[in-house]
Amino acid sequence: GNSVTQMEGPVTLSEEAFLTINCTYTATGYPSLFWYVQYPGEGLQLLLKATKADDKGSNKGFEATYRKETTSFHLEKGSVQVSDSAVYFCALILTSYGKLTFGQGTILTVHP
Amino acid sequence: DSGVTQTPKHLITATGQRVTLRCSPRSGDLSVYWYQQSLDQGLQFLIQYYNGEERAKGNILERFSAQQFPDLHSELNLSSLELGDSALYFCASSSRLAANTGELFFGEGSRLTVL
Repeated sequence: GNSVTQMEGPVTLSEEAFLTINCTYTATGYPSLFWYVQYPGEGLQLLLKATKADDKGSNKGFEATYRKETTSFHLEKGSVQVSDSAVYFCALILTSYGKLTFGQGTILTVHP
Repeated sequence: DSGVTQTPKHLITATGQRVTLRCSPRSGDLSVYWYQQSLDQGLQFLIQYYNGEERAKGNILERFSAQQFPDLHSELNLSSLELGDSALYFCASSSRLAANTGELFFGEGSRLTVL
């Protein structure tokens, strides 16, 4: 079946540190890949997406590149802020199936 | 604000009881999805409706049912509640064009506590 595996959290960083959250996937076919973010007390929000191999999604200083050869979609940010503290979910969808499959989520805490 | 409205925000009930969670999608969105978020299971897809019809079913228990009404709002009914049903239940919606693209708009969730 289709699945998404994220690095174990929680991740704790100081402000302005570099962030990487690893995500790998298993899928039958060619999925679209996503990062969603959940701020405290809120629902999930789409952060960025990539629909085909080698595509780079980017938003709010976050980036992720769709790597088909390593079945990965790692999230990166060069300089995190306290306001980036949230839970980050990697997800995939196979268009023909229409079901968005999420990873377990990674808690990020950024200290001043 | 995503435009998706869920009620109630919090609900505390006892085992064996039945509850109904309500969701109003963003204006114009035809697809509604229900997800369950718990500490041990993570975010699990339950069911999807598109313009009133069931479109996809995930890990939804037989004790749970859902429907989408002509005005496009949706309700998730949970019956014979067990302690393990305690979770955050999210509703999400998407536009007709984005129905299978993974671009969902989530509500803030309904937190269910079963005592």
